[in-house]
Amino acid sequence: QQQVKQSPQSLIVQKGGISIINCAYENTAFDYFPWYQQFPGKGPALLIAIRPDVSEKKEGRFTISFNKSAKQFSLHIMDSQPGDSATYFCAASMKAGANNLFFGTGTRLTVIP
Amino acid sequence: NAGVTQTPKFRVLKTGQSMTLLCAQDMNHEYMYWYRQDPGMGLRLIHYSVGEGTTAKGEVPDGYNVSRLKKQNFLLGLESAAPSQTSVYFCASSSGQGPYEQYFGPGTRLTVT
Repeated sequence: QQQVKQSPQSLIVQKGGISIINCAYENTAFDYFPWYQQFPGKGPALLIAIRPDVSEKKEGRFTISFNKSAKQFSLHIMDSQPGDSATYFCAASMKAGANNLFFGTGTRLTVIP
Repeated sequence: NAGVTQTPKFRVLKTGQSMTLLCAQDMNHEYMYWYRQDPGMGLRLIHYSVGEGTTAKGEVPDGYNVSRLKKQNFLLGLESAAPSQTSVYFCASSSGQGPYEQYFGPGTRLTVT
């Protein structure tokens, strides 16, 4: 059973546009929500992360929006660039579980020049 | 500073053969993890370790064994490979303390025929 549900599976955005990827979870014990970026042939790398005590976190062009009551969080990529083309994974973990990450199924983002 | 390294990068096995994947980290991290990545399923945790000499099962442990004899190394073994174990395997490590970021290796692509 997928603990973190992610959509869409793939996304095509024009350069300069906004990319939005959504995730939802059920387990209210999760207390850490990272997003990982993966380029072909590479391992995932942490992009940005949020804790449930804040509703938004911004780092450059990347923003996480977090809705605790709805148990949803999303990644917004502003001014999307061709170099952002990659697969994005949302994830969730809890301190009690050795910080084990439960990943979403991934979104393949393609930014068209 | 190499971070997390994995050996080998590619491997082809016949059904029933055995092999060991090696993960090494040079960041003095306490926690180490093995994941498998399959199309459309994201990354799933196989086994993890919270310190030298300790191991625990993740989401999909069947058919795999692990050992953590040294803090910097985490070995993943397949005793009798099956085609269902064809996947890309990623090792990760984290300090075990905030901010809980996991650092991933470059992956091992395993094909079982």
